[in-house]
Amino acid sequence: RKEVEQDPGPFNVPEGATVAFNCTYSNSASQSFFWYRQDCRKEPKLLMSVYSSGNEDGRFTAQLNRASQYISLLIRDSKLSDSATYLCVVNVRADKLIFGTGTRLQVFP
Amino acid sequence: NAGVTQTPKFQVLKTGQSMTLQCAQDMNHNSMYWYRQDPGMGLRLIYYSASEGTTDKGEVPNGYNVSRLNKREFSLRLESAAPSQTSVYFCASRTPGGRETQYFGPGTRLLVL
Repeated sequence: RKEVEQDPGPFNVPEGATVAFNCTYSNSASQSFFWYRQDCRKEPKLLMSVYSSGNEDGRFTAQLNRASQYISLLIRDSKLSDSATYLCVVNVRADKLIFGTGTRLQVFP
Repeated sequence: NAGVTQTPKFQVLKTGQSMTLQCAQDMNHNSMYWYRQDPGMGLRLIYYSASEGTTDKGEVPNGYNVSRLNKREFSLRLESAAPSQTSVYFCASRTPGGRETQYFGPGTRLLVL
C-alpha cells in the first residue's frame, strides 16, 4: 500500500463548479499535512497547509480527519486557472515529506 | 530574491556518461533536498541535507551522489548514467522551524539514451 494515495483523475469540471479531492495516508504518526499545486512542466508550489480544525483560504477549503487518516481539498467556484495537478503531501517525520502522485484537474469554459 | 535555482534545465546523456546537477538557494535555509519525479510515481526523495556538512540518503539514492558545498549549494552527481535515471529532477529547500514548507527549483529534465 502506498503511503499517500490519491485518485489520479482527471477531474474535468466546468467553470464555476465545486470539486473535491481526497487523499488517504497510511502512517498514523504523520505530523503535518499539505496540499501542493503543480502546473504542467513546472515545479510544485505550496497551496495550503492542512490543520486539524480545517482551514479555508478564499475558494479553497482543506479538511483533516486523523481518525480515518484522510485529507480533503474542496475548490469552490472553479476557475480556468485552477487547472493543474494537486499533490497531497504528508510529513511523517522531520525532513521526510511523502508526496502523493497527484490528482489532475481540468476546468473547461 | 531568486529562491531556488537549478542548472541545467535540460540535458541529454548517453549511458555511462557522468554529470552534475547544480542547485542553489538564497533564502538562508538549512535543509535542502533532491527529488526525482516520474509519471505515476510522484516525487521521490533521492538525498537530503539537513545542514551544511551533512547529507543523508532518501528513498532512491542508488546511482547518485551529493555534495553540500556550502549553505547555499547542494549538487547531485550521476557517476554513470543509466536509462532508468531518465526523469525530472527537482531541488528544494525548507523553511526553518514550524511546518514543513518546501520551495522547489524549476527542475532539470534529464534524458539518458
